[in-house]
Amino acid sequence: DARVTQTPRHKVTEMGQEVTMRCQPILGHNTVFWYRQTMMQGLELLAYFRNRAPLDDSGMPKDRFSAEMPDATLATLKIQPSEPRDSAVYFCASGLALTGGATEAFFGQGTRLTVV
Amino acid sequence: SQKIEQNSEALNIQEGKTATLTCNYTNYSPAYLQWYRQDPGRGPVFLLLIRENEKEKRKERLKVTFDTTLKQSLFHITASQPADSATYLCALSRSDNNNDMRFGAGTRLTVKP
Repeated sequence: DARVTQTPRHKVTEMGQEVTMRCQPILGHNTVFWYRQTMMQGLELLAYFRNRAPLDDSGMPKDRFSAEMPDATLATLKIQPSEPRDSAVYFCASGLALTGGATEAFFGQGTRLTVV
Repeated sequence: SQKIEQNSEALNIQEGKTATLTCNYTNYSPAYLQWYRQDPGRGPVFLLLIRENEKEKRKERLKVTFDTTLKQSLFHITASQPADSATYLCALSRSDNNNDMRFGAGTRLTVKP
């Protein structure tokens, strides 16, 4: 049963600390998305990758957020330093985009981040 | 600026009726549009995808329309059931080679028995 796996599921950290969230996309998928969800803003697109290359990360606060795909089985989202306003649920999703086709996205369970 | 608006935060209907949810967009030229369902504490789950050159798509009790002139998509659930209660999200992507999928705020549907 192929699924997107995110770790950790929950993270509580103190302001100023570094936070790293990990995502294992579905094997064979070539597109990975990172989203942040809050009650106020809904689902915001932070960054996405195609074949491990970043296509757009304009949704991320550049000074503190970074997203990478060190290999095809791992995507990471890092916040350094974290702030209380970063508290949210962070979702990773993966999909298979074919030439001339479209991507149905499969979402992970999310990482609930609380920065105190 | 680009906007994706779902017409209402919440929609309450009676079991057996048809639920109709709306997604409007401005300053956007999507190549395709998707609908997702999200239950509390879980990630969104894909339901349907429709391309800009398609008018309508169906899947079981679900139907999606896509009107690029009105810049609107309608999502219908016929013969609704309490189990259909969830938040429904529309997502737009600009092009097949740059699928930067962005979501509306969602509509919370409650189907009362």
